[in-house]
Amino acid sequence: QIQLVQSGAEVKKPGASVKVSCKASGYTFINYGFSWVRQAPGQGLEWMGWISAYHGNTNYAQNLQGRVTMTTDTSTSTAYMDLRSLRSDDTAVYFCGRGTYYGSGTYSLDYWGQGTLVTVSS
Amino acid sequence: DIQMTQSPSSLSASVGDRVTITCRASQSISTYLNWYQQNPGKAPKLLIYAASNLQSEVPSRFSGGGSGTDFTLTISSLQPEDFATYYCQQSYSSPLTFGGGTKVDVK
Repeated sequence: QIQLVQSGAEVKKPGASVKVSCKASGYTFINYGFSWVRQAPGQGLEWMGWISAYHGNTNYAQNLQGRVTMTTDTSTSTAYMDLRSLRSDDTAVYFCGRGTYYGSGTYSLDYWGQGTLVTVSS
Repeated sequence: DIQMTQSPSSLSASVGDRVTITCRASQSISTYLNWYQQNPGKAPKLLIYAASNLQSEVPSRFSGGGSGTDFTLTISSLQPEDFATYYCQQSYSSPLTFGGGTKVDVK
């Protein structure tokens, strides 16, 4: 069965970096991309960006440009999200989602990781 | 960026009720609209893609409709496991954006 398994919770100080992993199984990794979505405590969902697992092309949310890097490792079927210069308002649960394009052109996230809590605190 | 506005932000309902949630886009997005369900402490789950297509293994009591700027998610007969928060999301253009969510709780 298709699974996305994320790395464990992190506690970081302001200014530090965090790297969250998302290991995929149960399907051909390079046939799909990933989006990363975060959710601050008690808040809604915020899209952070997208990466193609096939060619590594990325598209980041403008408000995170320069602080976020998304990568994939096809040898281990793992996607990574690296966020730098952490601030307190980066405290959130970070999700990876498998991106699927349909014939109509719609893009949706059909499988999700379990989420990784990143806490930024001095 | 395309703004997605959901209404209501919360609603109270009983098992067996018919529930409808609305999502409005700030510009036309054709049918590039998805719906997700999220339970507390869990990841979102895809329910509906391309406005009206039921994701595999999602119960048929869920349905979606609309095009352009106005969309609906309907639960025909609310079940105990349906008390959750629901989000719409547009994929017409980058950045992908989500509605603010609709929390469905017990009346």
